Amino acid sequence: EVQLVESGGGLVKPGSSLKLSCVASGFTFSSYGMHWIRQAPKKGLEWIALIYYDSSNKYYADSVKGRFTISRDNSKNTLYLEMNSLRSEDTAMYYCAKSEFGDYWGQGVMVTVSS
Amino acid sequence: DIQMTQSPASLSASLGETVTIECRASEDIYNGLAWYQQKPGKSPQLLIYNANSLHTGVPSRFSGSGSGTQYSLKINSLQSEDVASYFCQQYYNYPLTFGSGTKLEIK
Repeated sequence: EVQLVESGGGLVKPGSSLKLSCVASGFTFSSYGMHWIRQAPKKGLEWIALIYYDSSNKYYADSVKGRFTISRDNSKNTLYLEMNSLRSEDTAMYYCAKSEFGDYWGQGVMVTVSS
Repeated sequence: DIQMTQSPASLSASLGETVTIECRASEDIYNGLAWYQQKPGKSPQLLIYNANSLHTGVPSRFSGSGSGTQYSLKINSLQSEDVASYFCQQYYNYPLTFGSGTKLEIK
């Protein structure tokens, strides 16, 4: 059974940093690209980053480019999202998702940026 | 960026009815389109990929169609458990982009 479990969220002040993790199981993690996608409260879905299976390519949404970094450790079956210079508009539920078209998603982790 | 225009924003239908949700891309996305269902308080679940391929375990009353810039999701014989929000997403080009969503309720 495919499982994706996010962690690392919380309440932080504007300008702070936070690092999210997504631990994968039930599939060969090192064979698949992985995404981070977020959803602000009562809002729609926003794709924010993708990393190829071998970390050879990374793509970002303009809204996070230069502030967020996606990475992975295939030996630990873990995906990461390092978030710097956080803003109130980054407040959202953050999901990791597997493969090109998000065939499996985690349960999400909440990030709240507020003073 | 490719814009995804999804309609309607909300939909109310009776049990057993057939409903259709549309998504229009701002340029050809060559069937690089997925549909997701999100129930309240839950994460999105894939329904359809490659515009018309049913994801594992998804009931056959869900179907996807379309090509070029126009795509649709059809739900036959609406069930109470289909109450949810539905989103389309193009994955043909980066940045990946989502439609704004359709909230489906039972009349």
